[in-house]
Amino acid sequence: AQSVTQPDIHITVSEGASLELRCNYSYGATPYLFWYVQSPGQGLQLLLKYFSGDTLVQGIKGFEAEFKRSQSSFNLRKPSVHWSDAAEYFCAVGEAGGGNKLTFGTGTQLKVEL
Amino acid sequence: EAGVAQSPRYKIIEKRQSVAFWCNPISGHATLYWYQQILGQGPKLLIQFQNNGVVDDSQLPKDRFSAERLKGVDSTLKIQPAKLEDSAVYLCASSLRQTGEQYFGPGTRLTVT
Repeated sequence: AQSVTQPDIHITVSEGASLELRCNYSYGATPYLFWYVQSPGQGLQLLLKYFSGDTLVQGIKGFEAEFKRSQSSFNLRKPSVHWSDAAEYFCAVGEAGGGNKLTFGTGTQLKVEL
Repeated sequence: EAGVAQSPRYKIIEKRQSVAFWCNPISGHATLYWYQQILGQGPKLLIQFQNNGVVDDSQLPKDRFSAERLKGVDSTLKIQPAKLEDSAVYLCASSLRQTGEQYFGPGTRLTVT
């Protein structure tokens, strides 16, 4: 069964600092990988996704993520964090063979200090 | 383009009562999902519809939860009777096709007392 681990429950960074959120997955084949962001009282918004091809994917709001098959990781990065980036971030893995069932990690709560 | 609509946004009920949630997906989206998000956890898929047929309901507690998607558009999720552990946010999502990007609604926050 597929699974996702986000080892950091909370992360605090200063505005303008760089950010990296960790995500490790377990899946038998080539996975579909996603990062979502959830602001309080809001639904999830897709930041970026990896299906195949270039292992460095660019997303919205200046985020990027790198797929590393050897490490089963899909870490999210941003070079300079803005106060508005404070939210909860979820990594998810989807089945590559149709159905698109997503399995989410437990999330990382990001706090941005001004 | 209108997003995924859900109602109500908040609901408080007592245990053993029943409750229903409504979801209106993005127009033209054939696939609809219901997720349960318990506080401190990631969303968990409860049920997935393709048009008005069920694709996956393996994690739906069928003794108390039911869902339908009549005419392949709107969907309702019902809990009867509710338990304390059902307190969660229920998220609806839709996608154009089974392998497409999922768009999420704002969710319904259920509190069972």
